[in-house]
Amino acid sequence: DGGITQSPKYLFRKEGQNVTLSCEQNLNHDAMYWYRQDPGQGLRLIYYSQIVNDFQKGDIAEGYSVSREKKESFPLTVTSAQKNPTAFYLCASSTGLAGAGGETQYFGPGTRLLVL
Amino acid sequence: GEDVEQSLFLSVREGDSSVINCTYTDSSSTYLYWYKQEPGAGLQLLTYIFSNMDMKQDQRLTVLLNKKDKHLSLRIADTQTGDSAIYFCAEKANTGGFKTIFGAGTRLFVKA
Repeated sequence: DGGITQSPKYLFRKEGQNVTLSCEQNLNHDAMYWYRQDPGQGLRLIYYSQIVNDFQKGDIAEGYSVSREKKESFPLTVTSAQKNPTAFYLCASSTGLAGAGGETQYFGPGTRLLVL
Repeated sequence: GEDVEQSLFLSVREGDSSVINCTYTDSSSTYLYWYKQEPGAGLQLLTYIFSNMDMKQDQRLTVLLNKKDKHLSLRIADTQTGDSAIYFCAEKANTGGFKTIFGAGTRLFVKA
């Protein structure tokens, strides 16, 4: 069964703590993305990666970090510098091939991060 | 700049048609998408349309694209209670890179 998995489903962060959200895909997609969703708002892009060992900042990268050491995995770390981390975090992937809908993004089930 | 706008709420009766509207600003958009999000879940791709098409139909779903007015709509025929969800419109801007711009989502309520 091909797809994108995110874990955990719920994550609690204490003040001053870094936490890491996992995203794995077995779709053989080159491109991966992290979005943040707040109530009543659209998705905002945090980071994206077009290929292994390369990633780019999105619109709201401050307070977040990522790595892309493997094609299948794109973990997101929410650092203590992110002052308002409570949100729903969505990971997505796409083939990365231009044209023929190849940039269509497919989403994981999301991780809800709450601050204690 | 790039922007996608949608109305926030829509309420319909079960069995009626739903029409969810979206406007976008980037006239060079290549693909336009509709995603569905159920509570606490990720986004599920419903359909997409290439910018050189004006209509696409897939079972109960019909997408209409008016490129001149930069207007996209999603019609759901015979709306069911299981269609209650948030529907996101999105555009793949032709500005290079892999950026997709999402609207804020339209929450569809289906009354039995």
